Amino acid sequence: EADIYQTPRYLVIGTGKKITLECSQTMGHDKMYWYQQDPGMELHLIHYSYGVNSTEKGDLSSESTVSRIRTEHFPLTLESARPSHTSQYLCASRTQSQDTEAFFGQGTRLTVV
Amino acid sequence: AQSVAQPEDQVNVAEGNPLTVKCTYSVSGNPYLFWYVQYPNRGLQFLLKYITGDNLVKGSYGFEAEFNKSQTSFHLKKPSALVSDSALYFCAVRDGRTGFQKLVFGTGTRLLVSP
Repeated sequence: EADIYQTPRYLVIGTGKKITLECSQTMGHDKMYWYQQDPGMELHLIHYSYGVNSTEKGDLSSESTVSRIRTEHFPLTLESARPSHTSQYLCASRTQSQDTEAFFGQGTRLTVV
Repeated sequence: AQSVAQPEDQVNVAEGNPLTVKCTYSVSGNPYLFWYVQYPNRGLQFLLKYITGDNLVKGSYGFEAEFNKSQTSFHLKKPSALVSDSALYFCAVRDGRTGFQKLVFGTGTRLLVSP
């Protein structure tokens, strides 16, 4: 099992609320990623980070923001949640080496009502 | 830009029979290819990868995959399916050139193994 953790696992929240999804890894990985997985299963990259103080937007436009103040921590924030944000969010990390696989957390299933 | 296609939404196979889950890719540089499995309400688990070398790679739980450069394919295989193999399978590709960081996934294939 990979040492990458996401909290909470499940979250139901009202429209307009601010939320932060936590992702932490204890492997010292420089590269971290956030994916959004829609009900049709497809995974979309929404944010990634090469290291501390480095963040980039992914292929799918997202209203969420991320930060990377510490190597082990890569939280995702939604300032004002909407029902369209309902989805599963998956965090992943990997080492610097180009040929390594990514390790995934268990995911956070977010429902905005 | 890189992309991955998994042409089958679902694959049905009887327990004990061989299974194949198809994947084709498109990438400008050398392809780094990966297979992941996802069980209900869980994250993705790494199964195997192809970086270079032997075209047939072996991974976890008896799975293997064959890299075919001319057909740009990386199909996942298992000689004898188990009911417990029923899950969602994702193929992914990353451009092997230095500086390319994105891991792009296919749309996933649901494998259903019947007893």
